[in-house]
Amino acid sequence: DGGITQSPKYLFRKEGQNVTLSCEQNLNHDAMYWYRQDPGQGLRLIYYSQIVNDFQKGDIAEGYSVSREKKESFPLTVTSAQKNPTAFYLCASSKGMRTDTQYFGPGTRLTVL
Amino acid sequence: AQSVTQLDSQVPVFEEAPVELRCNYSSSVSVYLFWYVQYPNQGLQLLLKYLSGSTLVKGINGFEAEFNKSQTSFHLRKPSVHISDTAEYFCAVSQVADYGQNFVFGPGTRLSVLP
Repeated sequence: DGGITQSPKYLFRKEGQNVTLSCEQNLNHDAMYWYRQDPGQGLRLIYYSQIVNDFQKGDIAEGYSVSREKKESFPLTVTSAQKNPTAFYLCASSKGMRTDTQYFGPGTRLTVL
Repeated sequence: AQSVTQLDSQVPVFEEAPVELRCNYSSSVSVYLFWYVQYPNQGLQLLLKYLSGSTLVKGINGFEAEFNKSQTSFHLRKPSVHISDTAEYFCAVSQVADYGQNFVFGPGTRLSVLP
């Protein structure tokens, strides 16, 4: 079955540590996205990538970094520069950008201890 | 830039009653409109989308939405809800433009269906 996988489901981090969240898709989609979800704020775009080896900042990119070396993979690193990283992180992919449905992974819940 | 407003953060409704979840948007250009549903601790799933054509769009699980350009609205409706419809619902808008990423989600409406 095609879909998007995110790992781990739960992640705990100590302050000052970098952590990397995994996102893999086997839908052959060109575009991939990372969102952050906080209660009552909906989804906010962190980074997106339209094609391999290219990515763009979203609305809240500070303290995060990404790479897109393979079409299937779009890992997100939460760096120690991110002031308040505790949140639910969602990865998504779509065939195109504006009209195509975004397919979401199950999410990773990151907690900073 | 476009924006999305969902007027109700929480909507409680009894089982088998009708429900309407409201969504309004602002944009200086034409838009595409989407409704997504999120069940607890899961990712989002598309319910329906409006790209062009008929303003009444039917989606999965018996939901439908109507695009009203003059009122810049895209309200979601279901004539009879079930307990399993309890979830958070997000309206989203994408501008008809030829560059960049302009997909914006609303803050969400939490629908609680009561027995």
